[in-house]
Amino acid sequence: DQQVKQNSPSLSVQEGRISILNCDYTNSMFDYFLWYKKYPAEGPTFLISISSIKDKNEDGRFTVFLNKSAKHLSLHIVPSQPGDSAVYFCAAKSSGTYKYIFGTGTRLKVLA
Amino acid sequence: SQTIHQWPATLVQPVGSPLSLECTVEGTSNPNLYWYRQAAGRGLQLLFYSVGIGQISSEVPQNLSASRPQDRQFILSSKKLLLSDSGFYLCAWVGGTPPASSGANVLTFGAGSRLTVL
Repeated sequence: DQQVKQNSPSLSVQEGRISILNCDYTNSMFDYFLWYKKYPAEGPTFLISISSIKDKNEDGRFTVFLNKSAKHLSLHIVPSQPGDSAVYFCAAKSSGTYKYIFGTGTRLKVLA
Repeated sequence: SQTIHQWPATLVQPVGSPLSLECTVEGTSNPNLYWYRQAAGRGLQLLFYSVGIGQISSEVPQNLSASRPQDRQFILSSKKLLLSDSGFYLCAWVGGTPPASSGANVLTFGAGSRLTVL
């Protein structure tokens, strides 16, 4: 049972444009969400997070939006840069557990 | 500041051989520790996590095991590797005293260990 889903395995975006990566979840007990960026043969690096009490969090070029009623979150990258090309994972955690559940990832390619 | 170390970085092992991957965290005490695996073309699968010395929770039944002999040490083992054990293994930590600068609830990963079973 995949509780965190990233239905788009890949995305290509032109440099300077907006990248939108999507994530859906099924567990209504999740109350903390994170986005990570991963290059090949490296560990994931943390980008941005959001608590379920908020619907938006912004950090520089990265903004995460949370729609609790739809059980959906998205990561916006503006403007996109070639260095943003990587695999992006969303993750979720519920307050009653220590487990962080990850999606399958979306490979972003930013074209110069 | 805190750091997390994993070794070895790469490992090629024959089927049926044992495995030991080690992870240590520096600069914090009593962290929660995790082992994840990324198989080819797949997401990050949680294998084990630990909230304290000797406390191990297993998420996926398989021929792997984990141990936490010391507060900041987490070991992933197998007595006999299978072909399906090939993948990229990641150790991570969260919490602890002090927590990571990125946040008390942010999972921080090591650089990973690439295991190829032939």
